[in-house]
Amino acid sequence: DGGITQSPKYLFRKEGQNVTLSCEQNLNHDAMYWYRQDPGQGLRLIYYSQIVNDFQKGDIAEGYSVSREKKESFPLTVTSAQKNPTAFYLCASNPGTELYEQYFGPGTRLTVT
Amino acid sequence: AQSVTQPDIHITVSEGASLELRCNYSYGATPYLFWYVQSPGQGLQLLLKYFSGDTLVQGIKGFEAEFKRSQSSFNLRKPSVHWSDAAEYFCAVGATHGQNFVFGPGTRLSVLP
Repeated sequence: DGGITQSPKYLFRKEGQNVTLSCEQNLNHDAMYWYRQDPGQGLRLIYYSQIVNDFQKGDIAEGYSVSREKKESFPLTVTSAQKNPTAFYLCASNPGTELYEQYFGPGTRLTVT
Repeated sequence: AQSVTQPDIHITVSEGASLELRCNYSYGATPYLFWYVQSPGQGLQLLLKYFSGDTLVQGIKGFEAEFKRSQSSFNLRKPSVHWSDAAEYFCAVGATHGQNFVFGPGTRLSVLP
């Protein structure tokens, strides 16, 4: 079955450590996205990528970094510069060439203490 | 830029009762509109979408939504709510490119037995 996988489901880190969240899709989608979700704030776009080796900042990119070396993979690194990293992180994708709905992964809950 | 409002943060209905979740959008051109549902700790699942044509859209799980251009609304309805419908519901608006996908803040639905 095609879909988006995010691992791990739960992640715990100490403050000051960088952490990388995995996102893989086998939908052959060109565009991929990272969102952050906090209670009562909906989804906020962190980064997106429309093609391999290219990505753009979203609304809240500070303290995050991404790479897109392969079409199917779009890892997100939460750096120590992110002031409040504890959140639920969602990866999404869509075909990219025309407007389609976004397909979401199951999410990763990151807790930093 | 697009924006989406969902006036109701939290709605409680009794099982078997009808449901309407409100969504208002702001967008200069014809919007592409979506409703997603999210169970706790999970990713988002598409319920239905409107691109063009018939303004009454049928979705999965017995949901429907009506696009009203004059009111800039895309309200979600269900005639009879089931306990399993308890979740968070997000309205979203897109444009011609996926990076302009904007989500509303969400409405949390509770269902009383």
